[in-house]
Amino acid sequence: SQQGEEDPQALSIQEGENATMNCSYKTSINNLQWYRQNSGRGLVHLILIRSNEREKHSGRLRVTLDTSKKSSSLLITASRAADTASYFCATGDLYNFNKFYFGSGTKLNVKP
Amino acid sequence: EAGVAQSPRYKIIEKRQSVAFWCNPISGHATLYWYQQILGQGPKLLIQFQNNGVVDDSQLPKDRFSAERLKGVDSTLKIQPAKLEDSAVYLCASSLGLGRDKSYEQYFGPGTRLTVT
Repeated sequence: SQQGEEDPQALSIQEGENATMNCSYKTSINNLQWYRQNSGRGLVHLILIRSNEREKHSGRLRVTLDTSKKSSSLLITASRAADTASYFCATGDLYNFNKFYFGSGTKLNVKP
Repeated sequence: EAGVAQSPRYKIIEKRQSVAFWCNPISGHATLYWYQQILGQGPKLLIQFQNNGVVDDSQLPKDRFSAERLKGVDSTLKIQPAKLEDSAVYLCASSLGLGRDKSYEQYFGPGTRLTVT
């Protein structure tokens, strides 16, 4: 299965700390996306990194991609209570560019 | 712009009954997806449409699930007959689907929470 696997499954930190979550996958990909899911806003796209990119930033988010290790990491800096959510990586199929496989997610709890 | 609309938001049925879900994607989005999300797991793709054609339905249990996207806009997903293990949230998503970076971004609806008793 190409489905990504996030690690850790759950993470609890204090507000202001950084949160790092990882995604590993098994087969070559076209791109990788990170999504956030909370009860208030459902599933929301955060950031996309292409297979020929190594790092990407968006606000307090930093994503890295290592295709040789088939892994990606999402770093959230200076976390806020509002960042409490589940985070999923979605790997893009190499041949069907619009098909994505979601992992099982990391549940992040940011304590105020 | 209006988001992806789904209805109903909640549905409770007994096993062996039928149920249908409706999705209206964002205007102009060519690709439409139906996902099943079981509690504690990530979304699992059931079917992917490009305009009104099926691109991928490899994980759709075709003996009980069916989906259509008439005229390349709205879509319905049907389960007949339902089983206990179908209890999940059914998510509809859409994307531009043009093969460029921004077009890969999926916009999700609020989902339909199905409980089969």
